[in-house]
Amino acid sequence: DAGITQSPRHKVTETGTPVTLRCHQTENHRYMYWYRQDPGHGLRLIHYSYGVKDTDKGEVSDGYSVSRSKTEDFLLTLESATSSQTSVYFCAISQQGDTEAFFGQGTRLTVV
Amino acid sequence: GNSVTQMEGPVTLSEEAFLTINCTYTATGYPSLFWYVQYPGEGLQLLLKATKADDKGSNKGFEATYRKETTSFHLEKGSVQVSDSAVYFCALRGGSARQLTFGSGTQLTVLP
Repeated sequence: DAGITQSPRHKVTETGTPVTLRCHQTENHRYMYWYRQDPGHGLRLIHYSYGVKDTDKGEVSDGYSVSRSKTEDFLLTLESATSSQTSVYFCAISQQGDTEAFFGQGTRLTVV
Repeated sequence: GNSVTQMEGPVTLSEEAFLTINCTYTATGYPSLFWYVQYPGEGLQLLLKATKADDKGSNKGFEATYRKETTSFHLEKGSVQVSDSAVYFCALRGGSARQLTFGSGTQLTVLP
């Protein structure tokens, strides 16, 4: 299995509070991604990174920011959590932009 | 833009039945195609892939053939087992896109 660790695995937070999710990899892959999974929508891309300090938006980036200060870590921040951000968040990595991606175990976030 | 359409679920089969899950796509250029599987409470695992037209991906008894003329990548298995119960996602990575585009997923339940 690819070395990808997401933390925390579960979190409950209140509306309006900031939340940071962490993805850590030990594979030295260049690309890292954050997806959210919601019933009926499959997985939708939030943000991705193609190198240290290089990031770009996905299709559902509003309300989220990311940072990648070193190869192994990719942080996803919800500046002010809303109930619509209740979801399961998956981190993924890939070696190149055109190869398969490997996924972490997911973080279940509940905003109350 | 890129898109993936999967057959709606849920799909319920008896053990040893034949499985087909339909997947069609829209993409510019020559995309790579993937099937991922998600077991309950886990992240997504790559099941198989095909990177060019007429390629057949296969793994664990599952197969899918990249059909450019019909823009399809249907997943098949000749004899399903209870342990195949999971959610299956079709995905593509196309052209200059650096991210995967997923279908909405198909829930498969296999009964003994």
